[in-house]
Parts: sequence; C-alpha cells; structure tokens
Amino acid sequence: QQQVKQSPQSLIVQKGGISIINCAYENTAFDYFPWYQQFPGKGPALLIAIRPDVSEKKEGRFTISFNKSAKQFSLHIMDSQPGDSATYFCAASKAGTALIFGKGTTLSVSS
Amino acid sequence: GAVVSQHPSWVICKSGTSVKIECRSLDFQATTMFWYRQFPKQSLMLMATSNEGSKATYEQGVEKDKFLINHASLTLSTLTVTSAHPEDSSFYICSARGVGVNYGYTFGSGTRLTVV
Repeated sequence: QQQVKQSPQSLIVQKGGISIINCAYENTAFDYFPWYQQFPGKGPALLIAIRPDVSEKKEGRFTISFNKSAKQFSLHIMDSQPGDSATYFCAASKAGTALIFGKGTTLSVSS
Repeated sequence: GAVVSQHPSWVICKSGTSVKIECRSLDFQATTMFWYRQFPKQSLMLMATSNEGSKATYEQGVEKDKFLINHASLTLSTLTVTSAHPEDSSFYICSARGVGVNYGYTFGSGTRLTVV
C-alpha cells in the first residue's frame, strides 16, 4: 500500500506560471511533510517542509498548503523558471523515523 | 547548515566483488542514518535505518547479508554491497538526522553504482 500518493507524474508549465504538485497521505501519525527537489545524478535537496499544526508555509517562491482533515498537502511554485525544471518529491515521516517518498513529479518549465 | 558527505559519487565494479559507500555528517551528530536506493526515473526506496552503535533495521525484501550497514560513530555510516551483481546497479543515497525533534533530514549527494 502506497503511503504517500503524488500527482501529477509530469507537469509542463510556461515560464512565469504557477506549478502545483499534490500529495495525499494515509497515516494520520505522520508529523513532518517536506518537499524535495532532485536534479539528475544528485541527491534530493530540501525545498520546504511543514508540520501539521500549520495550514500554510511560504518560503520565497515556494508555498506548502496543508489540509489535515483531507490528509493532503501541495507544493506551489510561483513564477516558475526554467531552472526549476527538476523532479520533485513529497515525503512524510512520523516521530523522526524514515521519510516515505511519493513517486515524484517531473517538472518542465518552458521558456 | 547541516551537510552530509557521501563517497564515492560513482563507482564501477566487477560482478562478485564488494563495494563500500561512506556517508559522513560533517557538522552535526547523526544519531540516525537512512539508506535509500533509487532506480532510474523512480522514487527513493528505503533500504534500512541505522542508529549509532546498534544493528541496522532493514526493510522487507532487503537482504541484510548482501547490504551490510555499519554506523559505528555519530558521524559515519557505511553501506557495503557484497558480492555485487548487475541487478545491484543503482543510485544509493544516504540521509542523516541529528539529535532533537526539530532536526530535519539531510541527504548525501548519492553514489551511482554500476556492476559489470
């Protein structure tokens, strides 16, 4: 059973547009929800993370929206740039145990 | 910020040989380290969790005798792929977590293993 479901699998956005990636989780014990960006041949890099006591967190062009009752969270990338083209993973964990990753979204930002 | 160094970044080995991958936390003490495996265009799959001074806990389906994990200090964990076969070729990534509830997870840059 997949604990963290991510969609869409791929996304094409025009430069300057908004990229939106969604994740849904099953385990209500999860207490940490990060988003990672990964470029080919590199390890994942933390973009932004949220805990379930807040509904939204913004850092620069990146925003996480969190809906605890729906067990969903999403990443919004404002003013998307070609340099944002990468694979994005949502993840979740509970009490400091291992992160469980979604399947990833390949984002392409066209110029 | 927290930095995790992973070496080597890539390695090619012959079938039947063993390969060791190192993961070091450079500026924090990593009480827990995680090892992931990633196939091309796929997600990160957890292989095992290791706590300093304890035996690693392996995920279902991961052969503990094939993937030896050692976490002998608070700054170093190693993954040894023993008797490697071509199907072990993959991207291996470590992650470290420090002490305290507010510590996040820091990832290494990954190791590309190719078994020929």
